[in-house]
Amino acid sequence: GNSVTQMEGPVTLSEEAFLTINCTYTATGYPSLFWYVQYPGEGLQLLLKATKADDKGSNKGFEATYRKETTSFHLEKGSVQVSDSAVYFCALTAASGNTPLVFGKGTRLSVIA
Amino acid sequence: DADVTQTPRNRITKTGKRIMLECSQTKGHDRMYWYRQDPGLGLQLIYYSFDVKDINKGEISDGYSVSRQAQAKFSLSLESAIPNQTALYFCATSDSKAGHTEAFFGQGTRLTVV
Repeated sequence: GNSVTQMEGPVTLSEEAFLTINCTYTATGYPSLFWYVQYPGEGLQLLLKATKADDKGSNKGFEATYRKETTSFHLEKGSVQVSDSAVYFCALTAASGNTPLVFGKGTRLSVIA
Repeated sequence: DADVTQTPRNRITKTGKRIMLECSQTKGHDRMYWYRQDPGLGLQLIYYSFDVKDINKGEISDGYSVSRQAQAKFSLSLESAIPNQTALYFCATSDSKAGHTEAFFGQGTRLTVV
């Protein structure tokens, strides 16, 4: 079945450091890939997405590129801020669009000033 | 007002009690989901519904039931709550007409079973 594996946390960075959170997936065909973010005390909200190979999703300085050859969708940001402290989830839906989102286990990011 | 509203936001209940968590949405989406979040386990799918007459089990449906009362309402019940059902529960919606689209989440219900 479809699955998502993302790097274990927690990740602690200093402000302005470079961020990478790794995400790899297992799925048939060409799934759609997502990064969701959960700020403290809140629900999940979409950060970015990519629906086909080589697409790059971007939002709020975060980027992720859909790599079919490595089945990966790593999240990156060049300079993190304290306000980026949150839990980040990688997720996918199947190529058919007829299955619910499958989530990774989440990576907690803490950014210190 | 939130597009996806969960009630209650927090609930403490005793072992063996029946409890219902409610979810309503104003987005006009046809698909609705219930997920459970536990620390270190991410989100696990409990049940999902692709339209009013469609109910499907997720990966952890044992001990739970659902009802899709209308397109906008999807409730989750714990028939006899047990302590290991203590978790954060999320309702979500999506729109099948929008293709490979995002899911929209409520703010969650924190349930504690004592």
